[in-house]
Amino acid sequence: QSALTQPASVSGSPGQSITISCTGTSSDVGGYTLVSWYQQHPDKTPKLLIYDVSNRPPGVSNRFSGSKSGNTASLTISGLQAEDEADYYCASYRSNSILVFGGGTKLTVL
Amino acid sequence: EVQLVESGGGLVQPGGSLRLSCAASGFTFSNYWMHWVRQVPGKGLVWISRIKGDGISTNYADSVKGRFTISRDNAKNTLYLQMNSLRAEDTAVYYCARDYGNSISDDWGQGTPVTVSS
Repeated sequence: QSALTQPASVSGSPGQSITISCTGTSSDVGGYTLVSWYQQHPDKTPKLLIYDVSNRPPGVSNRFSGSKSGNTASLTISGLQAEDEADYYCASYRSNSILVFGGGTKLTVL
Repeated sequence: EVQLVESGGGLVQPGGSLRLSCAASGFTFSNYWMHWVRQVPGKGLVWISRIKGDGISTNYADSVKGRFTISRDNAKNTLYLQMNSLRAEDTAVYYCARDYGNSISDDWGQGTPVTVSS
């Protein structure tokens, strides 16, 4: 099955805000409130940032926020910091109860 | 402390089989869905499969359906992935991970590498 569509890379300067998009279909992103976002630093395992479109797990900074409009979900990082430089992945469940990841977005902090 | 430790990876020829294991500790294993996710170094995450806490319900990615089987032994706190008819494109690091509602938690194993090559 095809992955969700994310931009390959985004960049921003410290203190700025950036948004990463995640586009799917009505069978996944658009059809359910089951979108999650993950941060992965090099040689580390992923960290859950956002679940169910816009909820943050305990301990995740409120600089990370999630939203959804139609078939596109978005992750916004405000007050960009050097340690935010990482790969970011979205994921969504599909109608047949499978989970699909996006292709990943490399965030560069300038 | 939650710990997940995978084992069983290695080099296998195309068409061959491997069985991965994931030993869990630090939480009530039978209460959680568990996932297998793979990643080629330098590439993206790919979800493979998940299994409900009681072992009754399972789901698979299309790319592995019919070839891979997820299972668990709650008495041994261990998750398994039986991989048959392996292909070169199955080469990756395989991770087990604990569920978090409708997502995957921060609790991942260290990964076990699988290489399918002749």
